[in-house]
Amino acid sequence: RKEVEQDPGPFNVPEGATVAFNCTYSNSASQSFFWYRQDCRKEPKLLMSVYSSGNEDGRFTAQLNRASQYISLLIRDSKLSDSATYLCVVNRRGSGDKLTFGTGTRLAVRP
Amino acid sequence: NAGVTQTPKFQVLKTGQSMTLQCAQDMNHEYMSWYRQDPGMGLRLIHYSVGAGITDQGEVPNGYNVSRSTTEDFPLRLLSAAPSQTSVYFCASSYDGRGTSEQYFGPGTRLTVT
Repeated sequence: RKEVEQDPGPFNVPEGATVAFNCTYSNSASQSFFWYRQDCRKEPKLLMSVYSSGNEDGRFTAQLNRASQYISLLIRDSKLSDSATYLCVVNRRGSGDKLTFGTGTRLAVRP
Repeated sequence: NAGVTQTPKFQVLKTGQSMTLQCAQDMNHEYMSWYRQDPGMGLRLIHYSVGAGITDQGEVPNGYNVSRSTTEDFPLRLLSAAPSQTSVYFCASSYDGRGTSEQYFGPGTRLTVT
């Protein structure tokens, strides 16, 4: 089983739609969780950290479920500019705080 | 600030050739790392450094060397290129190297080994 698993998509949605991505992780000792965004042929950039209590940043909401070991990202009122690949990232305690990256979920927002 | 810069952007090598991928950052970050990204796989850590003079191996270090003589620079050397090293290489830095710190990535180097 991969340490971090994501549905590769693509998720093809119209502008204005709400879309949700899930990510599961296998290491119950993981302590820190993130969503990164990667545009086509570009470098990843931090979108948001994921906190235990859940957190929101504008149209983006991230949730963590430790019991089921999954993280979610909800995007409301999708924009064309949201088209990108979203990477789920988890850090592993006990291994120098290294990061494990998921393979990403591709989102395509159409007019 | 330029952030994290990488050169070259593209490179084609023949099997057996060696080369150095350059990475520099101007944010005075202690922690720097190299990742490779392949289709269907997440970014995988090759080598990392927690400060000048200190380097360590990541998940996939074989075939690569690094050194860190200054805080700013962290070059990645391919000793004898193989087709399996065809990939996109990203350099990243963060303030303190902890997993909780935001990683700043360079624009990447697309390497093809024939």
